[in-house]
Amino acid sequence: DGGITQSPKYLFRKEGQNVTLSCEQNLNHDAMYWYRQDPGQGLRLIYYSQIVNDFQKGDIAEGYSVSREKKESFPLTVTSAQKNPTAFYLCASSIAGGGYTFGSGTRLTVV
Amino acid sequence: DQQVKQNSPSLSVQEGRISILNCDYTNSMFDYFLWYKKYPAEGPTFLISISSIKDKNEDGRFTVFLNKSAKHLSLHIVPSQPGDSAVYFCAAKTVDSSYKLIFGSGTRLLVRP
Repeated sequence: DGGITQSPKYLFRKEGQNVTLSCEQNLNHDAMYWYRQDPGQGLRLIYYSQIVNDFQKGDIAEGYSVSREKKESFPLTVTSAQKNPTAFYLCASSIAGGGYTFGSGTRLTVV
Repeated sequence: DQQVKQNSPSLSVQEGRISILNCDYTNSMFDYFLWYKKYPAEGPTFLISISSIKDKNEDGRFTVFLNKSAKHLSLHIVPSQPGDSAVYFCAAKTVDSSYKLIFGSGTRLLVRP
């Protein structure tokens, strides 16, 4: 049963702390993405990767980092440089030219 | 610079009536458009799509219309059901980027019983 899994579902971060959000897919999709959703706002692209060991910045990459060492995995690190990290984070994957399959999201809260 | 715009943040309709969600875009290079539906605390799910070579695509209660000259697309839901209450996102991709989707800000639909 193929799909895309994000973990954890809820995450709390202290000020000045780095945290990593996990995203794994078993759909054999080449491309993976990270989006951020804030209350009342749309989906904004943070980073995306079309192939292993390669990734590009999206519209709001500052304060975030990613890696793509395996086709199945695309973890997102929210660094202390991200000034307003509290948001709902969505990971997605796709084949070339196809629509996205989204994970169920991770809600990150700074405490 | 918002390339995909959903100007209505919310819409409320009576059960059984038609829901019409609108989306405008500015980039004439977009060649493929999609609608996604999102429930709270969940990821969006694909609903329906349309290629720029078509002006209409239908799937059950859902129909998407594309007006390229006006750079406008709309999603019609007939008849609307309470389970359709969700946030709907319009998305588009360009001919030169086979991967990246640009999303609108979403419209929250409430279908009243």
